[in-house]
Amino acid sequence: DAGITQSPRHKVTETGTPVTLRCHQTENHRYMYWYRQDPGHGLRLIHYSYGVKDTDKGEVSDGYSVSRSKTEDFLLTLESATSSQTSVYFCAISESIASMNTEAFFGQGTRLTVV
Amino acid sequence: KQEVTQIPAALSVPEGENLVLNCSFTDSAIYNLQWFRQDPGKGLTSLLLIQSSQREQTSGRLNASLDKSSGRSTLYIAASQPGDSATYLCAVRGSGGYQKVTFGIGTKLQVIP
Repeated sequence: DAGITQSPRHKVTETGTPVTLRCHQTENHRYMYWYRQDPGHGLRLIHYSYGVKDTDKGEVSDGYSVSRSKTEDFLLTLESATSSQTSVYFCAISESIASMNTEAFFGQGTRLTVV
Repeated sequence: KQEVTQIPAALSVPEGENLVLNCSFTDSAIYNLQWFRQDPGKGLTSLLLIQSSQREQTSGRLNASLDKSSGRSTLYIAASQPGDSATYLCAVRGSGGYQKVTFGIGTKLQVIP
């Protein structure tokens, strides 16, 4: 299994509080992604990173920010959590096309509940 | 914008039956297509990866095909077992920009003993 660790695995937080989710990889892969998974919507991309300090928005980025100060860590922050952000969050990694190893690997997910 | 559709949304079959799961995508400019399995409350496990230049990939009882020009992929599961019960997700990786991976909603499979 690819070395991807998400923390925490479960979290309950109150509306309006900041929350940070962490994704840590040991594969030295270039690309890192944050997805959320909701019933009826599948997995939707929130933000992604293509290198240290290089990040961009996905399709559902409102209310989220990310940071990548090291290759191995990709942080997802909810500045002020809302109930609509209750979801399961997945981190994924993949290497660049140039390496010919393009398979995407996923973490175990973080279940976030905003009350 | 890439859209990925999986049909059927749910499937229930008796043990031992062969079955086919379908995936279609709207933009044929993909780099690869990946099939995943997800068990309840768990993460995604990669099953098969097909590069855009390939037509099929096989792993054990699983066979995935890709017809990029028509925007279709199928996952064939032979001799289904109760342990195959899970949700199967199809994902396509775009060939441009940041190589965005777009997912279908999945097919929930139940194999009845």
